[in-house]
Amino acid sequence: QVQLQESGPGLVKPSETLSLTCTVSDASISSSTYYWGWVRQPPGKGLEWIGTIYYSGSAYYNPSLKSRVTISLDTSRNQFSLRLTSVTAADTAVYYCARVLKVAGPNWFDPWGQGTLVTVSS
Amino acid sequence: QTVVTQEPSFSVSPGGTVTLTCGLSSGAVSTTLHPSWYQQTPGQAPRTLIHTTNIRSSGVPDRFSGSILGNKAALSITGAQAHDESDYYCALYMGSGIVLFGGGTKLTVL
Repeated sequence: QVQLQESGPGLVKPSETLSLTCTVSDASISSSTYYWGWVRQPPGKGLEWIGTIYYSGSAYYNPSLKSRVTISLDTSRNQFSLRLTSVTAADTAVYYCARVLKVAGPNWFDPWGQGTLVTVSS
Repeated sequence: QTVVTQEPSFSVSPGGTVTLTCGLSSGAVSTTLHPSWYQQTPGQAPRTLIHTTNIRSSGVPDRFSGSILGNKAALSITGAQAHDESDYYCALYMGSGIVLFGGGTKLTVL
């Protein structure tokens, strides 16, 4: 069954760039069947969609984050990545990667990675 | 700015039935927004319960069902059990690849 695993630094300094990678097992990110996405959850708060990418490289971003976010694919490693620039304490969150399935568009998430906590602090 | 609304908290008695809702700050929720529902217990990743309004994800018991009630999406849980005590999130597809999550409902079973 498909599994996703996030990896990356757990601590990022303010104004720097947050970079995370999601490694996908038992599914190809090069498949046209699925999308791949990132969702985050600040401590004690709800879920926030960050963005979604298709095998073609086409990406969709949360308008509130769009100026700072880039999601990309590494098909040779079957991974996709998240970059978030100019981070502040407000970007402290558990970051989840997930497969995104589509009905009329990429709209539901299953399965999810276990999540990784990223803290923004000097 | 459009906001997806959910009840902040809800309680249900063991064995009882509860319906959680998912609305929009402006406008109605319909099947065209393809509502999905997720269950999350503390410290765990979300688990997908329902997608495309009313389709249960693999392995989800039929005690969980999704629907449209009036102008909102709804998640009903029948025969509530102690381990159903969780946070429940809905998500709506706004088009152009954009997904909005609701703020979540904390369900207590007591």
